[in-house]
Amino acid sequence: EPEVTQTPSHQVTQMGQEVILRCVPISNHLYFYWYRQILGQKVEFLVSFYNNEISEKSEIFDDQFSVERPDGSNFTLKIRSTKLEDSAMYFCASSSGTSGMAQYFGPGTRLLVL
Amino acid sequence: QKEVEQDPGPLSVPEGAIVSLNCTYSNSAFQYFMWYRQYSRKGPELLMYTYSSGNKEDGRFTAQVDKSSKYISLFIRDSQPSDSATYLCAMLAGGTSYGKLTFGQGTILTVHP
Repeated sequence: EPEVTQTPSHQVTQMGQEVILRCVPISNHLYFYWYRQILGQKVEFLVSFYNNEISEKSEIFDDQFSVERPDGSNFTLKIRSTKLEDSAMYFCASSSGTSGMAQYFGPGTRLLVL
Repeated sequence: QKEVEQDPGPLSVPEGAIVSLNCTYSNSAFQYFMWYRQYSRKGPELLMYTYSSGNKEDGRFTAQVDKSSKYISLFIRDSQPSDSATYLCAMLAGGTSYGKLTFGQGTILTVHP
């Protein structure tokens, strides 16, 4: 069964450093998303991406964040200068339909900023 | 008022029980409704999704939507210890929402043998 994969599973970084989180969406999906979940809190939407453009972004997704689809299979989230409050689980998701209803999530990357 | 409210529980039931999980919402723009299951430190796993008011059944799971009351439910029949997880409701607005899911807090469920 096809699935979304994410690397790395864990990342520890120093405050102010740049991190890149990587995702391989399900191969025939066209819509891609990033969410985050701070420990003990709700899953929160960050950004949606379609046709090489950001479709929508939340207020969390400020200038420190960027997304890219560098090739036909990978989808990345970059945090340019990490803050302590960026520590969270980051989930990539993908969907095939325009409604975004059936989104399939990856296992997540646990980011710890020290 | 929060857009999506979900009782965090925890909910503990014996094996074989019928489990009822619920969410309420305030945003009338929500048109699509999903239930996800999340095991500890794992990604959310899509269980069911629906658009219409009414019931949708898939095996031991039934999703129910009442748009007039802004209330959705997930029923699990013949619950098993392997159903122990956090259950998340998620909602999506119609129109130009571009796939932005809004999640509930999640309900922690334990099914004990």
